Amino acid sequence: EAGVVQSPRYKIIEKKQPVAFWCNPISGHNTLYWYLQNLGQGPELLIRYENEEAVDDSQLPKDRFSAERLKGVDSTLKIQPAELGDSAVYLCASSLVGSWEQFFGPGTRLTVL
Amino acid sequence: SQKIEQNSEALNIQEGKTATLTCNYTNYSPAYLQWYRQDPGRGPVFLLLIRENEKEKRKERLKVTFDTTLKQSLFHITASQPADSATYLCALASRGGATNKLIFGTGTLLAVQP
Repeated sequence: EAGVVQSPRYKIIEKKQPVAFWCNPISGHNTLYWYLQNLGQGPELLIRYENEEAVDDSQLPKDRFSAERLKGVDSTLKIQPAELGDSAVYLCASSLVGSWEQFFGPGTRLTVL
Repeated sequence: SQKIEQNSEALNIQEGKTATLTCNYTNYSPAYLQWYRQDPGRGPVFLLLIRENEKEKRKERLKVTFDTTLKQSLFHITASQPADSATYLCALASRGGATNKLIFGTGTLLAVQP
């Protein structure tokens, strides 16, 4: 069974440019998460979806970050415009609704110059 | 304020010994606590879950304890191997919150020397 797929794996952009990350969760997993992980830190939740509904986006900086999960499967996280401080790893995870085990993708490492 | 603390220093141990990692928390009432393993360049991988009413959980060479009075969980790897070298993250789900909303600690880097 395929795991959580993320692309791209690496992205280097200049500040003020837009960037988008894509995530395909494990088939059948209703819940999808986007996390941000800074070097030496644990993942921090940005947004959580139950199917296509964002049920927790309290940690998402809405002035520059947006996310969508059309049709309740794939999801895209966008930053516009990117700032130097956005350099981090962006992790996507999925789980069955109500399950405590989350399955993580490999992440996208973003470098903003 | 709410905090989840793990050993900030890397833990270096000799192969065959038992590794013990600590997770302390303040101002949380966790319904359960999880441990994840993360290798460089990869996402975390789930290892074990322990509920607030459980004292200990085991899985092969892994053992987790949970003391809600001390507000602490210990994670043990017995007969450690170089392949166990990785960063280990603890994560809490608060009682009353969404079942699957986790707050992660900063992680502890374990290095097992052959």
